[in-house]
Amino acid sequence: TQLLEQSPQFLSIQEGENLTVYCNSSSVFSSLQWYRQEPGEGPVLLVTVVTGGEVKKLKRLTFQFGDARKDSSLHITAAQPGDTGLYLCAVDQTGANNLFFGTGTRLTVIP
Amino acid sequence: DSGVTQTPKHLITATGQRVTLRCSPRSGDLSVYWYQQSLDQGLQFLIQYYNGEERAKGNILERFSAQQFPDLHSELNLSSLELGDSALYFCASSVEPSGMGEQYFGPGTRLTVT
Repeated sequence: TQLLEQSPQFLSIQEGENLTVYCNSSSVFSSLQWYRQEPGEGPVLLVTVVTGGEVKKLKRLTFQFGDARKDSSLHITAAQPGDTGLYLCAVDQTGANNLFFGTGTRLTVIP
Repeated sequence: DSGVTQTPKHLITATGQRVTLRCSPRSGDLSVYWYQQSLDQGLQFLIQYYNGEERAKGNILERFSAQQFPDLHSELNLSSLELGDSALYFCASSVEPSGMGEQYFGPGTRLTVT
């Protein structure tokens, strides 16, 4: 069993549609990060959430940390082709900033 | 551009060989991290250095080793290579060694073992 399960694994949608991807665990975390990785590049940090129930917005992206700090979601409004990529959630299990990544959601937005 | 550089970008080698991957962190970052990304295992933490000293180890094989030099660049050495070592290897850097601060990832080195 993976520490961080992300769903769906793959998602293909039309430009303009809305979508939500999930990051779930049975463990409690002090904070959680979301990264986006585009083909041929390294992951890029999108957001860090630290408080249970916290909602953060980044343009068309809305991130929520679960009340119990065990799960998180990423909602994209009016998806664009530039949103295409691998979305990864990550946590720091040791306190030494060593990231443990989820299984990832590969998003394709079709023009 | 994250400011983290990695060389080479691609590397093709045979089983049993040894390779060295190089990483230069962002200017001012003292902490360097190495990650491996493969299709079956996803993105996994290997090892962390802070200001020249090893700080933490993750799922790093005994055949793999790393070091961080006085100028803060880091090298990851992979020896006795196996087919299963084929993967993308990323280096990341950060200012702080703890506290889930932002890590900046390099573009990666794609290793293919034949």
